[in-house]
Amino acid sequence: SQKIEQNSEALNIQEGKTATLTCNYTNYSPAYLQWYRQDPGRGPVFLLLIRENEKEKRKERLKVTFDTTLKQSLFHITASQPADSATYLCALEYTGGGNKLTFGTGTQLKVEL
Amino acid sequence: NAGVTQTPKFRVLKTGQSMTLLCAQDMNHEYMYWYRQDPGMGLRLIHYSVGEGTTAKGEVPDGYNVSRLKKQNFLLGLESAAPSQTSVYFCASSKQEIGKNIQYFGAGTRLSVL
Repeated sequence: SQKIEQNSEALNIQEGKTATLTCNYTNYSPAYLQWYRQDPGRGPVFLLLIRENEKEKRKERLKVTFDTTLKQSLFHITASQPADSATYLCALEYTGGGNKLTFGTGTQLKVEL
Repeated sequence: NAGVTQTPKFRVLKTGQSMTLLCAQDMNHEYMYWYRQDPGMGLRLIHYSVGEGTTAKGEVPDGYNVSRLKKQNFLLGLESAAPSQTSVYFCASSKQEIGKNIQYFGAGTRLSVL
């Protein structure tokens, strides 16, 4: 079965630094990968999508990379702010997956002043 | 623009009781999903629907039933609640777009089964 691994330990960084979160997957190759943000007591919110034939995607201070050889995606937040503190989830739809996403467990990011 | 609305927000049940969770979306999306989220387990798909009148099993369907009688609504039923069903339940919806299954989530229902 598909398995997605995200660092379960919280990531603490200082304001202004770049936060880098990792998403590793096994088995089948995904058609595309997504990143979501989840705040306490709320549902996940979509941030970025990257397809298997794309190496990098950017949106404002966010950057996602996708390495299908390493089976890994990196999610970067540059010039981080306390408001970026949240849990970040990666999700994959596998080729032939029937419009279903498989989610990682998420990594909690804490940006400190 | 409400997006995806889940009711109720909180519920406490006794073992063996039944209940229905309601999800409503106003974005005219074809696809709807029910997930449960438990600490350390991430979001796990319970059931989903690709259109009105259709439903399918996800990763953890046992103990749950669903119905999608109207395009905008997706109901999740627990016929006989068990403590193992204590969780946070999220509903999501998405457009029918190839290669772009962006999901929009509700705020969640926190369910405790005693």
